[in-house]
Order: sequence, then C-alpha cells, then structure tokens
Amino acid sequence: DTGVSQDPRHKITKRGQNVTFRCDPISEHNRLYWYRQTLGQGPEFLTYFQNEAQLEKSRLLSDRFSAERPKGSFSTLEIQRTEQGDSAMYLCASSSGMGYTEAFFGQGTRLTVV
Amino acid sequence: KQEVTQIPAALSVPEGENLVLNCSFTDSAIYNLQWFRQDPGKGLTSLLLIQSSQREQTSGRLNASLDKSSGRSTLYIAASQPGDSATYLCAAHNYGQNFVFGPGTRLSVLP
Repeated sequence: DTGVSQDPRHKITKRGQNVTFRCDPISEHNRLYWYRQTLGQGPEFLTYFQNEAQLEKSRLLSDRFSAERPKGSFSTLEIQRTEQGDSAMYLCASSSGMGYTEAFFGQGTRLTVV
Repeated sequence: KQEVTQIPAALSVPEGENLVLNCSFTDSAIYNLQWFRQDPGKGLTSLLLIQSSQREQTSGRLNASLDKSSGRSTLYIAASQPGDSATYLCAAHNYGQNFVFGPGTRLSVLP
C-alpha cells in the first residue's frame, strides 16, 4: 500500500489552457475526495465519489471543472479554460467503508496559471 | 452548514513546551473529527481520528479530545520539538457529507 498518489505534482499552464490531474487512491478505498487549497487557507471541498458515483459537488466546482472516477478506481479532475484564480493546490483523499473512516490525503498537485 | 474555526492562527513556542491547539465547529452532529498536519507545500498527514462516540484519542506525544456538546476539539502536543513545526488542521465530518476544514494553526517550535 503506497498511499494516495497524485500526478503531476506541479503544473504550470497558460491562461485558457485545459489541464487534467490524476489521483490514485489507496487500494480498495471506495470513497474519493477532491479538495482545493489556496495559500494560508484550509482545504475547500470540491467533490467526492462513492465508488464510481459522484455523490456531491461543491458550488466551487464551476462548469469549467469536471471530475470522473471510471470503474471506481483512479479519478481525474479536469479544468477547462483555466483562469489565474484557479491557481491552487489540488488535493485528493480516499477512505474506506462508507466514508466515515480515516481519510488519507495525497501530496497534492500545485497548479500555477500564468 | 458546518463551519470550523481554529485558534490560535499562529503559535511560536520554545522547544520542550506542552501546547494546546483549539478547533471549534458549529454543527455538533458530526460523525467524526480528524486532525492533520501539513508541512509547507505538501499534502496532509493524518494524525488522529476521533469518532463521535469517543472523547479522546492518543498517539505518542499527541492527544486529541472531543466535546460534541460544546462543539470543540483540542489537540495537545507534549514536549514539543522543532520537528513538530507545521500547520495543524482539524476537519469535521458530518453525516452523509464531506469533511469541512478549519483554516489551520501554524506552529513554530524554536530550538
């Protein structure tokens, strides 16, 4: 068990470009979360999956954001037409059971939009 | 809507001191509360998870308590060390919902 893995660790993109991040949860963890964190703030919820079903989406997740978790394994978060305000750390977490157990986070993907 | 606050926002102490970090939440109908540590530019490391039926959890020099009725949790760090320097975050998990994080306490332990 290697923990939650996120790729890439860092991404610099030009405004208007699309970016995609990947998260591999701990094996057999059926709940997967995406959070966004800006400097000096606590993480803010974006969305979560129970297996392949996306159960909740934050109002922060505008139409430019989309997340998938095909087959209930890894997940991808795509941001279309990036804006400078999208610059942040994107964090992924997973947990087992019905989600009321300990959550484990990955190292995050640092996005910089220039 | 759950809201989580943490005080103090920052704390600087000399090595060896015992210290307490505070976390408050507005909705007491939580399922559990989890404490995390975050080093600069890194992800979150889980420290302790307290279920709603528990009053405290201990791991090494760390002890976390939970008082649902008052909407408070505290993280006690004994005999602090420079390696404890990091940001400490608490997150409340309500039934059927996601984790709601506080803004964190930035801790500096001076040698």
